[in-house]
Amino acid sequence: SQTIHQWPATLVQPVGSPLSLECTVEGTSNPNLYWYRQAAGRGLQLLFYSVGIGQISSEVPQNLSASRPQDRQFILSSKKLLLSDSGFYLCAWSLQVSYGYTFGSGTRLTVV
Amino acid sequence: QKEVEQNSGPLSVPEGAIASLNCTYSDRGSQSFFWYRQYSGKSPELIMSIYSNGDKEDGRFTAQLNKASQYVSLLIRDSQPSDSATYLCAVRVSNTGKLIFGQGTTLQVKP
Repeated sequence: SQTIHQWPATLVQPVGSPLSLECTVEGTSNPNLYWYRQAAGRGLQLLFYSVGIGQISSEVPQNLSASRPQDRQFILSSKKLLLSDSGFYLCAWSLQVSYGYTFGSGTRLTVV
Repeated sequence: QKEVEQNSGPLSVPEGAIASLNCTYSDRGSQSFFWYRQYSGKSPELIMSIYSNGDKEDGRFTAQLNKASQYVSLLIRDSQPSDSATYLCAVRVSNTGKLIFGQGTTLQVKP
């Protein structure tokens, strides 16, 4: 069966520090991968999605970036965090575009 | 801008009642619709998907879709306190693999 791993679970970072969040999927190949952010009391905002290695689509302009160095690995990064980057970051995967996503357990990021 | 609208609630129902959650969407070309349940502090969990007009039942859950009215709903029969959560409506943007989510409706089931 397929599983998705996301780490770390929680993170407290100072403003201006770098960020790297990692997500990996097991038990499947060539998944579609997604990064979402959920700010406190708000809905899910799509940040990036990828349909293959090295293929990244960005949904919103911001100081975040994403990379997919391997088929089942998706990384969210920032060179300098802002206070507004705080939130619950969720990685998700799907095999078919018409299917729903399966989410990882999420990373709660607090920028101080 | 594609949008998905939900009443944020909270929707409060007594244990054993039917909970009705509603969602409207703006993308007329959308073909895939989903309901997710999110417990406080946890990630969303897919509970229902629906692709055709009408009803789809799975246990105590029924999803209803009306594409002409651009309306999706979720009914939860025999509501239990364990159903207390935020329910997110998600719509696949036409011709893409992207899901757009509503803000979610918070459901409280009182014993």
